[in-house]
Amino acid sequence: GAVVSQHPSWVICKSGTSVKIECRSLDFQATTMFWYRQFPKQSLMLMATSNEGSKATYEQGVEKDKFLINHASLTLSTLTVTSAHPEDSSFYICSAPHQAGVGDTQYFGPGTRLTVL
Amino acid sequence: GNSVTQMEGPVTLSEEAFLTINCTYTATGYPSLFWYVQYPGEGLQLLLKATKADDKGSNKGFEATYRKETTSFHLEKGSVQVSDSAVYFCALSAYAGKSTFGDGTTLTVKP
Repeated sequence: GAVVSQHPSWVICKSGTSVKIECRSLDFQATTMFWYRQFPKQSLMLMATSNEGSKATYEQGVEKDKFLINHASLTLSTLTVTSAHPEDSSFYICSAPHQAGVGDTQYFGPGTRLTVL
Repeated sequence: GNSVTQMEGPVTLSEEAFLTINCTYTATGYPSLFWYVQYPGEGLQLLLKATKADDKGSNKGFEATYRKETTSFHLEKGSVQVSDSAVYFCALSAYAGKSTFGDGTTLTVKP
């Protein structure tokens, strides 16, 4: 149990276009999901917390207008990279906690590799 | 704020060698601690976890013990295999499910 999927697994786009990445919890509901960004050979950086039914909470330094997050249902969160540029190329990973409360296990999606030309 | 410090890599071992990857943390409250593994081109997989002091997490021959007195959660394996080659991340989760990660340690096991 506790599977999180992401779609697409990889995407290549032209500079200036927008890209949507989906994160789904397949066998459980998640009122909260998290979006991370990982640069090559580096650790994961938390970008934002996606909240079902309310606005996302962004970490300091993350542009809200650049990275739009929508938590449409208890099993789906989307991250849209708007007007993508080459510096947005990265590995984007989402996660969802499987049980409510502090310190629960996070289940991670397989990641989406974005390449902006 | 919360932070996780991991042993710097890369680490290169011969097959069947003993592995230790050090991890220490700073956190307010009582975090849960995790080790994740990431294979090339893939997302993170939970390797093991511990939710309170003195708990020992174990999986696939890997072990780590939550040491509150030394704020550590070192990863160990008695005999590594080539298939264990991957990047290992130590992480903590202390508030609202947010995770803080260490920088990752790349392990390469040679036959």
